[in-house]
Amino acid sequence: AQSVTQPDIHITVSEGASLELRCNYSYGATPYLFWYVQSPGQGLQLLLKYFSGDTLVQGIKGFEAEFKRSQSSFNLRKPSVHWSDAAEYFCAVGPNNAGNMLTFGGGTRLMVKP
Amino acid sequence: DAGVTQSPTHLIKTRGQQVTLRCSPISGHKSVSWYQQVLGQGPQFIFQYYEKEERGRGNFPDRFSARQFPNYSSELNVNALLLGDSALYLCASRDRGEEKLFFGSGTQLSVL
Repeated sequence: AQSVTQPDIHITVSEGASLELRCNYSYGATPYLFWYVQSPGQGLQLLLKYFSGDTLVQGIKGFEAEFKRSQSSFNLRKPSVHWSDAAEYFCAVGPNNAGNMLTFGGGTRLMVKP
Repeated sequence: DAGVTQSPTHLIKTRGQQVTLRCSPISGHKSVSWYQQVLGQGPQFIFQYYEKEERGRGNFPDRFSARQFPNYSSELNVNALLLGDSALYLCASRDRGEEKLFFGSGTQLSVL
């Protein structure tokens, strides 16, 4: 069975500091990997996705993520955090023919200090 | 263009009642899925529909059912509500051949 673990429930960073959110997955084949962001009272917005090819993928809002097969990880990074980045971040995994059937991690709540 | 729209935005029910949640996908999207998000947790897959047929079902009891209409809108029904059904219910749509899901803002269901 596939699963996603986000080890950090809460993270607080200062505005302008760098950010790394961790994601580890368990899946038997090559997964489709996603990072979504959710602001309070909102649905989820896709930040980036990885299917194949270059293991460093760029997303919206200055985010990037690196796929490391040997570590079963797909960590999200941003070099300089803005106050508007405060939100909940979810890593998700799906099979090649996932359609809409994603498995999400428990999420990491990001707080940004001024 | 309008995004994925869900109604109602908030709902309060009592245990044992039945509830119907509605979702309109982005125009042109034929695939709709439903997720349950309990407070403090990530979304959990409930159903996927494509072209009015069920294409996938998550680990949810038979109290949960759904359908998709000819205009590709969808309804999620939950019978015999339990306190544990209190959650944010998210609908997502997807264009054919694309892996990106577009989520609605959800329906917040509270069961008292």
